[in-house]
Amino acid sequence: AQSVTQLGSHVSVSEGALVLLRCNYSSSVPPYLFWYVQYPNQGLQLLLKYTSAATLVKGINGFEAEFKKSETSFHLTKPSAHMSDAAEYFCAVSVASPGSARQLTFGSGTQLTVLP
Amino acid sequence: DVKVTQSSRYLVKRTGEKVFLECVQDMDHENMFWYRQDPGLGLRLIYFSYDVKMKEKGDIPEGYSVSREKKERFSLILESASTNQTSMYLCASGTATNEKLFFGSGTQLSVL
Repeated sequence: AQSVTQLGSHVSVSEGALVLLRCNYSSSVPPYLFWYVQYPNQGLQLLLKYTSAATLVKGINGFEAEFKKSETSFHLTKPSAHMSDAAEYFCAVSVASPGSARQLTFGSGTQLTVLP
Repeated sequence: DVKVTQSSRYLVKRTGEKVFLECVQDMDHENMFWYRQDPGLGLRLIYFSYDVKMKEKGDIPEGYSVSREKKERFSLILESASTNQTSMYLCASGTATNEKLFFGSGTQLSVL
């Protein structure tokens, strides 16, 4: 079974500072990895995904993540935080199951606060 | 614009009531999912469906059932609501490969 661990349930950064949200995964087979963002009172939307192509993945709103197999990590970064980045971020992993659909397993989430 | 619509944004029910949460998608997706979201626990999969009339249990199916009679509609049923089912419920849909899920905006259910 796959699992995801997000380090830090709350992260605060100053506007203009680097954003780093950490995600480690566990999977016995090659995974797909995702970052989703949830703004207040909304559902989740996809930020970026890794599906076994390039290990450095660029997403929307200036975010990117790097798949590091040796470290089983998929950390999310953004060079310069903006006030509008304040939201909850979820890392997720999915693996293929014979005869069934891929299921996404989510981490517990990281609430990002951006300070003026 | 693609859409996953959940029938209610807020719902208040009493213990023991039968509760229906409805979800409709307009993207002709094969797969549909029900998650519950609780603070500190992230999203946990309750049930999913990869075809009409097909369903599979997720990680926390106890106390829930689902129905998928039409491709676009996936219903979550709480047969006898309990207070520990107070939560935010999120519906999602995706293509066969699930490379991207589309989420509804959620139903906040309170069971009193």
